[in-house]
Amino acid sequence: KNQVEQSPQSLIILEGKNCTLQCNYTVSPFSNLRWYKQDTGRGPVSLTIMTFSENTKSNGRYTATLDADTKQSSLHITASQLSDSASYICVVTFSNTGKLIFGQGTTLQVKP
Amino acid sequence: KAGVTQTPRYLIKTRGQQVTLSCSPISGHRSVSWYQQTPGQGLQFLFEYFSETQRNKGNFPGRFSGRQFSNSRSEMNVSTLELGDSALYLCASREGTGPRLNTEAFFGQGTRLTVV
Repeated sequence: KNQVEQSPQSLIILEGKNCTLQCNYTVSPFSNLRWYKQDTGRGPVSLTIMTFSENTKSNGRYTATLDADTKQSSLHITASQLSDSASYICVVTFSNTGKLIFGQGTTLQVKP
Repeated sequence: KAGVTQTPRYLIKTRGQQVTLSCSPISGHRSVSWYQQTPGQGLQFLFEYFSETQRNKGNFPGRFSGRQFSNSRSEMNVSTLELGDSALYLCASREGTGPRLNTEAFFGQGTRLTVV
């Protein structure tokens, strides 16, 4: 079954600290993996997108990595800011149909 | 280029009523997908339309239906509303759809539906 699992479910860190969010998937075959940021009550906004042949992609303080062999991805946030408080969603595209498979998300809270 | 537009932003309905939500994709995008998001459940896929045809469908009851018009705008309808239908409904647009396609999905701000 094609699934995407994210951990931790929620995370609290202090402003200025780094953190890493995990995404494990069983989707096969897959064409790409994306990380989205969703502020409360708003639609998700894309942070990074990686194809199966890419290992890392950066967007400012956000760096995503992908290991297609172990089917794992991580999103690293550097020098966190209060505005990073949001849900982060990992999404994998199932190649056969183009369907997007969503993880449950990780809720990050950055405290001053 | 305008983003994905969903209307209305907020809606309150009574149990048993029906509701229609609208989504206008980014100009030139032909694929529109709908999702239901509730606390603790993440985004649940409802259906996807491409060129007025439903391409994929999630595991929702027949009370949930949709359609897409020739200008790619899409509507989602929920009949006989239940309390559990209260959620944020999101739509996403992509240029295309289908296998091995790397086009990015752009989301609207969502419609917050509350059923009382």
